[in-house]
Amino acid sequence: QAQLVESGGNLVKPGGSLRLSCAASGFIFTDYYMSWIRQAPGKGLEWVSVITTSSSFTKYADSVKGRFTISRDDAKNSLYLQMNGLRAEDTAIYYCAKTAAGGFDIWGQGTMVTVSS
Amino acid sequence: DIQMTQFPSTLSASVGDRVTITCRTSHDISSLLAWYQQKPGKAPKLLIYRASSLESGVPSRFSGSESGTEFTLTISSLQPDDFATYYCQQYYRNWYTFGQGTKLEIK
Repeated sequence: QAQLVESGGNLVKPGGSLRLSCAASGFIFTDYYMSWIRQAPGKGLEWVSVITTSSSFTKYADSVKGRFTISRDDAKNSLYLQMNGLRAEDTAIYYCAKTAAGGFDIWGQGTMVTVSS
Repeated sequence: DIQMTQFPSTLSASVGDRVTITCRTSHDISSLLAWYQQKPGKAPKLLIYRASSLESGVPSRFSGSESGTEFTLTISSLQPDDFATYYCQQYYRNWYTFGQGTKLEIK
């Protein structure tokens, strides 16, 4: 059964850094794009970033471009999000999602990032 | 950028009702639209992909359709488990945008 498990969320001060991880199992990780999506408290969903197979291409939402870096380790079936220069508006639940031809078909349970002094 | 407009933002309905949620895109997206259901404290769940294809395991009372740049999610007969928030999402050219969401409440 396909599964994604995020970790690394925490309370961090404005300007700080955090690295999120997502462990994948139950599907052929190397065959799929992977994405990060976030949801601020009480708000809607916001796509953050996508990485293609073989890490050949990455894309970012304008709101995080230049501050966040997505990466993957295919040997470890893992996805990462390095977040630098964090701001209060980055406070959200961060989900990783398997990105298939038909949208985001598998989601993790999410990890909470809180940016506050 | 492709803009998404989802409406209504809130919908009150009763068990057994037929309901429709609409999403409009600013450009043609070649049917590359999905619908998700999210319950409080849970991750979203994919219901419909490519505008009208039902994800495996999703009840057949859910259906999707399109007409040009307007996309519709229909629930044919509401069940108690269907009260949740619904999002549309486009995935055209590796650019992903969600609609604002529709909260489906019990009348």
